Amino acid sequence: GQSLEQPSEVTAVEGAIVQINCTYQTSGFYGLSWYQQHDGGAPTFLSYNALDGLEETGRFSSFLSRSDSYGYLLLQELQMKDSASYFCAFPNQAGTALIFGKGTTLSVSS
Amino acid sequence: ETGVTQTPRHLVMGMTNKKSLKCEQHLGHNAMYWYKQSAKKPLELMFVYSLEERVENNSVPSRFSPECPNSSHLFLHLHTLQPEDSALYLCASGTTRETDTQYFGPGTRLTVL
Repeated sequence: GQSLEQPSEVTAVEGAIVQINCTYQTSGFYGLSWYQQHDGGAPTFLSYNALDGLEETGRFSSFLSRSDSYGYLLLQELQMKDSASYFCAFPNQAGTALIFGKGTTLSVSS
Repeated sequence: ETGVTQTPRHLVMGMTNKKSLKCEQHLGHNAMYWYKQSAKKPLELMFVYSLEERVENNSVPSRFSPECPNSSHLFLHLHTLQPEDSALYLCASGTTRETDTQYFGPGTRLTVL
């Protein structure tokens, strides 16, 4: 089957660095996406890794290791506004839609 | 601002009611999606429309009926729902070439009494 596993909760303080891990199971893997969802809001796209390695976009970076079926989202210089749920996702086998993990709730405190 | 709008934002309905959720995208995309988000569960894909044709029906009960009259509009018709159908219903749009990047609407918070 197809599934993604990520921690349910992570806590950190402002200015810190946090890593949210995601392991997955699937065949016909295309790549791994990350989405952010604030409480009461819509999920918004953060990044996509099709190839192994690190992709950096400002304070956020995403990493993928296809051989380990593993990826992570790295958030640096944490701010209070980064408190949200973060979802990893990959396209289904037909390539027609995304399958999401259960999400990781990040709480940033001062 | 995501370019994807959904109405209504909140809906309370009885089990015998019929209602419809509406989604509109202004991004020129050719694929649209319905997802269900319940507490403590992952986003669940319900339906996929590609080029106005339904390409995926993810084992959704027939009390949910989608409609895609054109590439900019998507509806979800609801009838005889159950209390366990209470959830956030999210619409998204994207392109058939880049399934990894989807743009979500704000969702409709549905409560079934």
